[in-house]
Amino acid sequence: GAGVSQSPRYKVAKRGQDVALRCDPISGHVSLFWYQQALGQGPEFLTYFQNEAQLDKSGLPSDRFFAERPEGSVSTLKIQRTQQEDSAVYLCASSPLAGGLGETQYFGPGTRLLVL
Amino acid sequence: GENVEQHPSTLSVQEGDSAVIKCTYSDSASNYFPWYKQELGKRPQLIIDIRSNVGEKKDQRIAVTLNKTAKHFSLHITETQPEDSAVYFCAAINSGGSNYKLTFGKGTLLTVNP
Repeated sequence: GAGVSQSPRYKVAKRGQDVALRCDPISGHVSLFWYQQALGQGPEFLTYFQNEAQLDKSGLPSDRFFAERPEGSVSTLKIQRTQQEDSAVYLCASSPLAGGLGETQYFGPGTRLLVL
Repeated sequence: GENVEQHPSTLSVQEGDSAVIKCTYSDSASNYFPWYKQELGKRPQLIIDIRSNVGEKKDQRIAVTLNKTAKHFSLHITETQPEDSAVYFCAAINSGGSNYKLTFGKGTLLTVNP
């Protein structure tokens, strides 16, 4: 079946511009995660959804970052007034069960964001 | 919170040799430890995982060992092949509670020379 998909794959934004990154998880997956991966680093947790409920947003770097999953499937990560330090790959992952149960997280290909 | 240290940051081996990557974690409550392989520009893919109730798990040329007392776990790849070249990440989580955060190491760039 189809895996996790993300769009756009690449995004170039001017500093101060707002961006929206989309994640389509595997159909039926309860859990959805967003990660930020800086160049040469491991993914860092941003936020977690269980269906439509955002249960953990402790990793969001600032109030410029906002995520939603209104119908419990597709999720959008929005970054307002982008800064150069926001440049990174944004990864989305989903898993079949409620988060924290140690189930495999399936990753999308990521959106590479470059802020100029 | 959890902190995961991974070593080495780069590893170069000859085809057919073994490769070992080591990780340590700080939270003694962590109980699930996956390993991901990420090729350049691609998504991370799970290659093997281990739970805290076992000490070793093997899948063909890949094995993972866990020492809960010392709080470290290792990835072992035998008979390496050029297609094993990638960045490998270890991770840890205390699953089963209200914690949802998978903490990753910084990665190991493995190069297998033909």
